[in-house]
Amino acid sequence: KAGVTQTPRYLIKTRGQQVTLSCSPISGHRSVSWYQQTPGQGLQFLFEYFSETQRNKGNFPGRFSGRQFSNSRSEMNVSTLELGDSALYLCATKGGLATDTQYFGPGTRLTVL
Amino acid sequence: AQKVTQAQTEISVVEKEDVTLDCVYETRDTTYYLFWYKQPPSGELVFLIRRNSFDEQNEISGRYSWNFQKSTSSFNFTITASQVGDSAVYYCALSGPGGYQKVTFGIGTKLQVIP
Repeated sequence: KAGVTQTPRYLIKTRGQQVTLSCSPISGHRSVSWYQQTPGQGLQFLFEYFSETQRNKGNFPGRFSGRQFSNSRSEMNVSTLELGDSALYLCATKGGLATDTQYFGPGTRLTVL
Repeated sequence: AQKVTQAQTEISVVEKEDVTLDCVYETRDTTYYLFWYKQPPSGELVFLIRRNSFDEQNEISGRYSWNFQKSTSSFNFTITASQVGDSAVYYCALSGPGGYQKVTFGIGTKLQVIP
C-alpha cells in the first residue's frame, strides 16, 4: 500500500509569490490534515479536510487556504509569501473521522527568500 | 486558552533504561483529545496515540505505555527498555471536542538513547 505522498519535496520562492503544495493520501483515506513546522513556532495545525469539506482550521491568516478534491487529494495554497512562511509543511491522512491513526507524508520544505 | 507543557526539553538515557516523557495540559473543554507523536531524525512525523478525555484507562502498546490522569491534567508517555531507535523528538498535543479543533502542540521533548 503506497504511503502518503507530498509534492514537491522542496521549494524555493521569493516574498510576495504564491505557492501550492499537494498531498495525496493513502488509498481509501478520506481525511487529510495539514501542519506547519518552524524552528520558532514549532508544530502548528493548519487545516483538516474530510470528503471535500474543511472541518477545522488553525489560527492562520487568510493567506493560507486549502481544498480537497473528490479523490481525497488535498492542496494547500499560501498567497503573498512572507519570510516567516518558510517551514516544513506536513500532511497526514486517515481513513475516517472516527479513525485514530494518522499517517504522515515526508513533508514539503518551503524556503521563502 | 489551551496549553500543552512539555517541561523536559531534552532527555538522555542509556539503552535499556526506562524513560517517562511528561505532558501537562490546560483546557476549558470537557471533551478533548490528547495525542503523542514521534519525529525521528529523518523528520517524518509518526502518530503514536490519540486518547479522548472520557477514556482514562492507561494504554500499553509493546514497550510504550501512556498514563492519563485527569486529576493532574497529565498524559505521560513511558518507553520501557529504551532502544537507540527510540531517539527522536516526541510531541504531545491537545485538541478540542471535534478531534482536530484548536490543536495545540507542546514544544517537544528530545530523547537521546545512548548505546
